[in-house]
Amino acid sequence: KQEVTQIPAALSVPEGENLVLNCSFTDSAIYNLQWFRQDPGKGLTSLLLIQSSQREQTSGRLNASLDKSSGRSTLYIAASQPGDSATYLCAVGDSSYKLIFGSGTRLLVRP
Amino acid sequence: DTEVTQTPKHLVMGMTNKKSLKCEQHMGHRAMYWYKQKAKKPPELMFVYSYEKLSINESVPSRFSPECPNSSLLNLHLHALQPEDSALYLCASSLQTSSSTDTQYFGPGTRLTVL
Repeated sequence: KQEVTQIPAALSVPEGENLVLNCSFTDSAIYNLQWFRQDPGKGLTSLLLIQSSQREQTSGRLNASLDKSSGRSTLYIAASQPGDSATYLCAVGDSSYKLIFGSGTRLLVRP
Repeated sequence: DTEVTQTPKHLVMGMTNKKSLKCEQHMGHRAMYWYKQKAKKPPELMFVYSYEKLSINESVPSRFSPECPNSSLLNLHLHALQPEDSALYLCASSLQTSSSTDTQYFGPGTRLTVL
């Protein structure tokens, strides 16, 4: 059974710092991996999707990498801003295209 | 238009009530999903519809009854719920279910409280 883990569970950084969020998964037979952002009490916003054949994806200040063999993905946020404060969730798409979510990293960017 | 809408935003119901949650998208997506999210937990998949047919039911109790009347609309009918069913219910859609390139787009959710 696929298990997805995110470390750290919470992170507080000063504005302007570059930071890395980690996601690991136990079964490397994935179809894709997605990173989402969720603001408190709100729905999820898709940030990046990496297909299993890809190594990374970039969107603005965000860069996500995928290493299937080691079961890891990272989300890099450059020059963090207070508006980046949210919970970041990674989710793995399995063979039935279901998404299995990690527990998330709660990020606080302090002004 | 990359929006998934959900109504109502908030719902309070008693254990004997019958209510429905509604989800709508006009992106031409043929896959639609219901998730349940408890506080400080990740979303958990409940149901998947593909081309208006139920394709996945994650062993959800029968007091939750999904319905997909057409390709744009997804309902979740609620009956005889328990207080532990209180959660944020999220709807999502994607172009189809059978592609590794399709992003799931989520709605804002319905916050459900069962008294």
